[in-house]
Amino acid sequence: DSGVTQTPKHLITATGQRVTLRCSPRSGDLSVYWYQQSLDQGLQFLIQYYNGEERAKGNILERFSAQQFPDLHSELNLSSLELGDSALYFCASSVSNYGYTFGSGTRLTVV
Amino acid sequence: DQQVKQNSPSLSVQEGRISILNCDYTNSMFDYFLWYKKYPAEGPTFLISISSIKDKNEDGRFTVFLNKSAKHLSLHIVPSQPGDSAVYFCAAKEGSGAGSYQLTFGKGTKLSVIP
Repeated sequence: DSGVTQTPKHLITATGQRVTLRCSPRSGDLSVYWYQQSLDQGLQFLIQYYNGEERAKGNILERFSAQQFPDLHSELNLSSLELGDSALYFCASSVSNYGYTFGSGTRLTVV
Repeated sequence: DQQVKQNSPSLSVQEGRISILNCDYTNSMFDYFLWYKKYPAEGPTFLISISSIKDKNEDGRFTVFLNKSAKHLSLHIVPSQPGDSAVYFCAAKEGSGAGSYQLTFGKGTKLSVIP
């Protein structure tokens, strides 16, 4: 157990729908990062939150949004889902500058 | 444009031999490099890292070499063990302001260690 908890582990939904992925960082970690791993692709950085505030934005679609709550858990909201949004979504947390701790991911399948 | 490239999607090595995984990068602003290992159904786990001011870092069976002039790094695993079979991701960090630690990942290399 890495200490980073992601729920749900699997999600199957239809095109056009909206889903919310949840991440609880390791105790004491202030930063939460979201990454997307599509088939045959590396992990693509989506967005970072630090202590409740957006800190950095990567290749995140406008249909996607995220937030970090006062208890430091984070949610990634994906709306108007398309088939191409099917992917593994990873959350990672970090309190230092020497690497992340990843959660086990949420596998999203859009049908 | 991929800034971190792992050109070998897969690699097979005999148990006990050396595994060499390669990674090339294009962004000269990268100042820190990391390797992550990923088993199926799990998230990536940190393996080893190297700062751009060094050319080698060793941790047990794992050694990372950095050639800045060639913008190339490699991960050596000696001796390779069946439990090392996993996907290995190379990642790089660009020097940036405090509090942001965005990593750029390669697509990964699947290592299979054959008993």
